[in-house]
Amino acid sequence: GAGVSQSPRYKVAKRGQDVALRCDPISGHVSLFWYQQALGQGPEFLTYFQNEAQLDKSGLPSDRFFAERPEGSVSTLKIQRTQQEDSAVYLCASSPTRPGQGTDTQYFGPGTRLTVL
Amino acid sequence: QQPVQSPQAVILREGEDAVINCSSSKALYSVHWYRQKHGEAPVFLMILLKGGEQKGHDKISASFNEKKQQSSLYLTASQLSYSGTYFCGTALYGQNFVFGPGTRLSVLP
Repeated sequence: GAGVSQSPRYKVAKRGQDVALRCDPISGHVSLFWYQQALGQGPEFLTYFQNEAQLDKSGLPSDRFFAERPEGSVSTLKIQRTQQEDSAVYLCASSPTRPGQGTDTQYFGPGTRLTVL
Repeated sequence: QQPVQSPQAVILREGEDAVINCSSSKALYSVHWYRQKHGEAPVFLMILLKGGEQKGHDKISASFNEKKQQSSLYLTASQLSYSGTYFCGTALYGQNFVFGPGTRLSVLP
C-alpha cells in the first residue's frame, strides 16, 4: 500500500485485558512514531523509533505501555492491563527522515480507536 | 511544551478568509501544520523553518515570525473542503514536534 496502515481500526477491551495495536509504515521510512489522541485534543507523543531502535519513549504514560519495532518496519504498541483512561485513538506516523531536521514530514495512519469498558 | 493556538474554533461562510495562530515560549526551529478531518488521520500541510519564511500552496499559506516565535496559517477564499481541525506542531532543532490543541474550522455554504 501507498500509505501507513493500522490494525485493528477499532478495538473494544474489558478493563484489565491486554491489547496489541499494529502499524505498517510506508516502506523505507526510517522514523516511526506513536501518538495518543483523546477526544477533542491534539495528538500526544508516546514514543519514537529510528529503524529498530527506540530512541525516545518519554511519552509512554506508564510501564503498562510497551512498543517494539524489531525489524525496523512493522511496529506494535502493546498495552497491558488496560484501564478506562487508556481509551483514545492511537495514531501511528512514519517519516523518511529523522525528526528535527526541518524536513520531517510525518505521514499518519488512520488510527486505532480503543475503547476500554 | 505544548504550543498555544488561537482561536479555538472559527466558523466561516464559503469564500471568507481565516487566520489561525500558533505561538510558543521557546526558540523554535520549525513549525509544522496539519489538518485533520473528523475520524481521519492528520494530513500534512506544510513545514516552516526559522528565518521568517512564508509558504503556501493553493489558497493556504503560512508564515513564521522567528522573533515572536509565532506562526500564522492563512486560509483565503475558504472552501467547504477546508473544514476540519488544524494543528500546529512546534519543534526545537533535532527534536520531534509537539502538537498544539488544535483549531476547529467549520466552513458553511
